[in-house]
Amino acid sequence: GENVEQHPSTLSVQEGDSAVIKCTYSDSASNYFPWYKQELGKRPQLIIDIRSNVGEKKDQRIAVTLNKTAKHFSLHITETQPEDSAVYFCAGGGSQGNLIFGKGTKLSVKP
Amino acid sequence: EPEVTQTPSHQVTQMGQEVILRCVPISNHLYFYWYRQILGQKVEFLVSFYNNEISEKSEIFDDQFSVERPDGSNFTLKIRSTKLEDSAMYFCASKGEQGSTEAFFGQGTRLTVV
Repeated sequence: GENVEQHPSTLSVQEGDSAVIKCTYSDSASNYFPWYKQELGKRPQLIIDIRSNVGEKKDQRIAVTLNKTAKHFSLHITETQPEDSAVYFCAGGGSQGNLIFGKGTKLSVKP
Repeated sequence: EPEVTQTPSHQVTQMGQEVILRCVPISNHLYFYWYRQILGQKVEFLVSFYNNEISEKSEIFDDQFSVERPDGSNFTLKIRSTKLEDSAMYFCASKGEQGSTEAFFGQGTRLTVV
């Protein structure tokens, strides 16, 4: 089955800097890669996703890149703000939609 | 905006007791999921449900677990004999038709087994 590895487990940046979180996946059949933001005690919220037929996707300060050959995908947050502080999870999934999550990255943005 | 709703928000139960966690998915969605998240850990897939049957389940989803869609609107997760290690946040999620991608998560039920 699918296995998703995520790095780093914690990330601390200064406000205004960029943050990059990386994930790898094992199952070449996975074709959908969402990123979720989870604030303490709340549900995971989808922030951006990418399908395997696309190499890059951007939404304002957030971008995701996918390298199918290497089975890598990354989340890039530019101009970070304190409200970006949260735990971010990557996930991989197939056509049935069940997602296998990475272990999460705790992002702290210091003002 | 439509959302997935879960009840109760917090359930405390004695070890060995049965619990039922309830979810109302978004009304026109076709795919339903349960995930769990032990405190401070990652979100783990339990089971997916489509066309009134389980389509996939993880190793966590053993004989103690079952799911049901009893009336076309509710989607329930039953744990027959709870163990201490079942304590976690349980999230229900739903997704639209084939080819749609985004899964919408409920706010979760925190299960505490004592």
